[in-house]
Amino acid sequence: DADVTQTPRNRITKTGKRIMLECSQTKGHDRMYWYRQDPGLGLRLIYYSFDVKDINKGEISDGYSVSRQAQAKFSLSLESAIPNQTALYFCATSAPGGYGWGEQFFGPGTRLTVL
Amino acid sequence: AQTVTQSQPEMSVQEAETVTLSCTYDTSESNYYLFWYKQPPSRQMILVIRQEAYKQQNATENRFSVNFQKAAKSFSLKISDSQLGDTAMYFCAFIDQGGSEKLVFGKGMKLTVNP
Repeated sequence: DADVTQTPRNRITKTGKRIMLECSQTKGHDRMYWYRQDPGLGLRLIYYSFDVKDINKGEISDGYSVSRQAQAKFSLSLESAIPNQTALYFCATSAPGGYGWGEQFFGPGTRLTVL
Repeated sequence: AQTVTQSQPEMSVQEAETVTLSCTYDTSESNYYLFWYKQPPSRQMILVIRQEAYKQQNATENRFSVNFQKAAKSFSLKISDSQLGDTAMYFCAFIDQGGSEKLVFGKGMKLTVNP
């Protein structure tokens, strides 16, 4: 089984709809991240969480919110989806220290299309 | 703020040849890590190689090696004996240790290996 899972893998929705993307991990990592990928722009950080009680905005948090329900679960919500939120969304995890510090482990991604 | 620049948006190479992907970064930090991630058509983000800034020796992983020039803030990836499976997007990424501890990505570069 994959260490970092995302649901759904693909989603088509309409402008104005609320949508939630979910991420679960079995790696036991405290740190979790949400990114969006757009062609030619690389990956940009939306939100990150270093533990259950710690939530931080990334560089492009407007229009998004998150919830860290448990160490293993980190959800991303679009309260009112708009077409320019059409993108590939990734969840990632990392360990806080020790060997392998800094390396992030990615889920398979969610392709979101907003019509 | 740290930035990562991949100046070549696209490259192609013949199978079995050697190719070098360039990356430069900007930071005032002295302790940091650098990574190359690969994203094949499956869209999964896969770590290729990592380099700790405090290590002078260049990292190698089988056919993949880096040329890390700390003073020049350059971190290029060399792929030897290119294989069709190396066809992918490649992202250079940076994370500082003790600062924001957020991974910053370049915009990516598409590599195509031709038979």
